[in-house]
Amino acid sequence: GENVEQHPSTLSVQEGDSAVIKCTYSDSASNYFPWYKQELGKRPQLIIDIRSNVGEKKDQRIAVTLNKTAKHFSLHITETQPEDSAVYFCAAIPWTGNQFYFGTGTSLTVIP
Amino acid sequence: ETGVTQTPRHLVMGMTNKKSLKCEQHLGHNAMYWYKQSAKKPLELMFVYNFKEQTENNSVPSRFSPECPNSSHLFLHLHTLQPEDSALYLCASSQDPGQARDTQYFGPGTRLTVL
Repeated sequence: GENVEQHPSTLSVQEGDSAVIKCTYSDSASNYFPWYKQELGKRPQLIIDIRSNVGEKKDQRIAVTLNKTAKHFSLHITETQPEDSAVYFCAAIPWTGNQFYFGTGTSLTVIP
Repeated sequence: ETGVTQTPRHLVMGMTNKKSLKCEQHLGHNAMYWYKQSAKKPLELMFVYNFKEQTENNSVPSRFSPECPNSSHLFLHLHTLQPEDSALYLCASSQDPGQARDTQYFGPGTRLTVL
């Protein structure tokens, strides 16, 4: 099955700086890669996703890049704000299934 | 948000108790999922139901028993649990089962503590 690794496990940045979280996956059949944000005590919520036929996608301060050859994808948050503090999960989904394989999560702290 | 709801939000039970977790989705979705979230571990998929039929059971111990009476409701029946089963149990739903690009929407979770 798919194996997703996520790094770093914790990340602290100063407000206004950028944050980058990276995930690698093992199954070349994976072609959908969502990112979820989970604030303390709240449910995971989808913030951005990318399909395998796209190399980059942006939504305001958030962007995701995908390198299918290297089997890795990254979340980029620019101009970080304290409300960006949360745990971020990546996931990889093979074309043939509906099972999400999640990374271990990155706890991001934005220091005011 | 009221798309996916879960009750109870918190549950404390002894190892000999029997309890049930409930999940309801108001999104008209056809697939529902149970996940276990423990500290410093990935989200662990437990069960998947597509159109009320169980399609995935990821080697979950029999002390966890799912039930899906219809596409909108999902239960997780618990009995003789162990302290290591203490975790956040998340329910999720998605529109089209088997579609790899389908987005999952999560409920708020039930924080379970087994004494």
